[in-house]
Amino acid sequence: DTAVSQTPKYLVTQMGNDKSIKCEQNLGHDTMYWYKQDSKKFLKIMFSYNNKELIINETVPNRFSPKSPDKAHLNLHINSLELGDSAVYFCASSHIPGQRWGVTDTQYFGPGTRLTVL
Amino acid sequence: TQLLEQSPQFLSIQEGENLTVYCNSSSVFSSLQWYRQEPGEGPVLLVTVVTGGEVKKLKRLTFQFGDARKDSSLHITAAQPGDTGLYLCAGESGNYGQNFVFGPGTRLSVLP
Repeated sequence: DTAVSQTPKYLVTQMGNDKSIKCEQNLGHDTMYWYKQDSKKFLKIMFSYNNKELIINETVPNRFSPKSPDKAHLNLHINSLELGDSAVYFCASSHIPGQRWGVTDTQYFGPGTRLTVL
Repeated sequence: TQLLEQSPQFLSIQEGENLTVYCNSSSVFSSLQWYRQEPGEGPVLLVTVVTGGEVKKLKRLTFQFGDARKDSSLHITAAQPGDTGLYLCAGESGNYGQNFVFGPGTRLSVLP
């Protein structure tokens, strides 16, 4: 069974379009994330949601809007796509916020969505 | 802004050799995680270190967390081609503990 799944795996689109990437986790985790990995393989957190509530928004343009209909899903919608948005986007999930309860946590990553903006 | 640096950026060695990769920061992290990522896949967690000075072993891999919890090292003994991949370190911090900062990675290639 896939723990964290993302769709689509590949997404090629024209500049200016609006697109969505879906993420689902079947691990029963409370927290989900979106990361962006650029061409240099630098992985940077974009958003973090805990129980459908936004925790972290790391200076991501307003064109990116995450939506969490329930704990198991965190979708990423991107408006007015730009060339610089081309990257691999990873969804991840974990159980509980670490420091809050004094324990560390494990993130499980999805397989990634390679977005190419032409 | 918390930053993690990794060195070396690229490493190509022969099968059977030993190697060490480093993860350094000027910031203190509550924990530090090491991941391996293979092409076309998401990062997979190898280990989490929490206590300053902690050493963890995973078969031929030895992970150490610095005493001040600002740096970490990964040592691989007798590297094998299957160890090839991108090794990422990530520091955990933030008010809710769920802000992970990733280093740029070390790309390891083990030649048979």
